[in-house]
Amino acid sequence: EPEVTQTPSHQVTQMGQEVILRCVPISNHLYFYWYRQILGQKVEFLVSFYNNEISEKSEIFDDQFSVERPDGSNFTLKIRSTKLEDSAMYFCASSGASGRARTDTQYFGPGTRLTVL
Amino acid sequence: GDSVTQMEGPVTLSEEAFLTINCTYTATGYPSLFWYVQYPGEGLQLLLKATKADDKGSNKGFEATYRKETTSFHLEKGSVQVSDSAVYFCALTSGNTGKLIFGQGTTLQVKP
Repeated sequence: EPEVTQTPSHQVTQMGQEVILRCVPISNHLYFYWYRQILGQKVEFLVSFYNNEISEKSEIFDDQFSVERPDGSNFTLKIRSTKLEDSAMYFCASSGASGRARTDTQYFGPGTRLTVL
Repeated sequence: GDSVTQMEGPVTLSEEAFLTINCTYTATGYPSLFWYVQYPGEGLQLLLKATKADDKGSNKGFEATYRKETTSFHLEKGSVQVSDSAVYFCALTSGNTGKLIFGQGTTLQVKP
């Protein structure tokens, strides 16, 4: 069964460093998402990506964040200068084999735990 | 904006007990509704979904009915097992991009 994969599973970084979190969505999906979950809190939407551009972003997704789909298979989230409060689990998701974003199921990857020291 | 509210946890039940986890929502338009489950140390897995009013989603003995009149999507299971112990998230799609808005999650602990 196709699945979303994410690497690394755990990333430790120093405050101010850049990190890139990588995701491989399900191959025939059209919509891609990043979410984060701070420990013990709810899952929060960061950004959605469709047709090689950002379709929506949340207030959390400021200028320090960027996303890219560099080669048609990977989908990356970059944080330019990490802060302590960026420590969280980051989930990638994909959906939209049928092209209906509102009703299609989003399939989530296992997450990358980011720890900023 | 759109939002989802779940009952506070943790919910602790004995094996074979009946489970209800309440979920209510506020949304403009006609969202799709989902329940996701997160087992310890794992990511989010879709449990069930409903895309329009009065639809019932079901999977692995769990059920939830999309109730537009009460803006609810309560999760139920007739007989829980220890293996059902996990965190359950209610969610809806918001807007045209399909972004998910999640509730705060409800931890279920099932004891033998």
